[in-house]
Amino acid sequence: DIVMTQTPLSSPVTLGQPASISCRSSQSLVHSDGNTYLNWLQQRPGQPPRLLIYKVSNRFSGVPDRFSGSGAGTDFTLKISRVEAEDVGVYYCMQATQQWTFGQGTRVEIK
Amino acid sequence: QVQLVQSGGGVVQPGRSLRLSCAASGFTFSDNGMHWVRQAPGKGLEWVAVIWYDGSNKYYADSVKGRFTISRDNSKNTLSLQMNSLRVEDTAVYYCVRWGPDRSWDYWGQGTLVTVSS
Repeated sequence: DIVMTQTPLSSPVTLGQPASISCRSSQSLVHSDGNTYLNWLQQRPGQPPRLLIYKVSNRFSGVPDRFSGSGAGTDFTLKISRVEAEDVGVYYCMQATQQWTFGQGTRVEIK
Repeated sequence: QVQLVQSGGGVVQPGRSLRLSCAASGFTFSDNGMHWVRQAPGKGLEWVAVIWYDGSNKYYADSVKGRFTISRDNSKNTLSLQMNSLRVEDTAVYYCVRWGPDRSWDYWGQGTLVTVSS
């Protein structure tokens, strides 16, 4: 199984400041079709997860442009350019290249 | 709009069975594969099972293989998860998820809590 490792596990952020979450996979996420199936999910308190980013850097419908994804191969990053109160929650990276596995989650909270 | 509305769940004793359902609307259900994923209390996400858009293929996590069965009824726009021989460690919130374009998991059900306890 591909193991996904996120850092940090907790990220206290000041409102209006940027936040960054890293995700590393135990092997390359480049699929044989040439695509990299790395998604980012957000789970607000008491809510189901929702899709933020798919295929490394594509924002899902309705996702604010302060969220961006980047990376390649085994190293990926989710950035929030200016954290807002509604961004509080847990963020997961997940790979869909070889079955499906998730990172441990990173808790974003306001300082 | 796409909606996935879950039902089922509850408290059950170890060794017993439970069936979860997920009613889909707002899209052509038979066009999409579907997943079940679970989240133990205070923990992260664990993929459970997947079924192809036409039901032709089904795959399971090792932790549930041989005990859980995923199925779908495309005439009723419904996804199901039959859970047998339940264990305490199966306690979790279970989510149904649409398998969207580009292998995204684009729409999620609201979740349903399964508690396995004596």
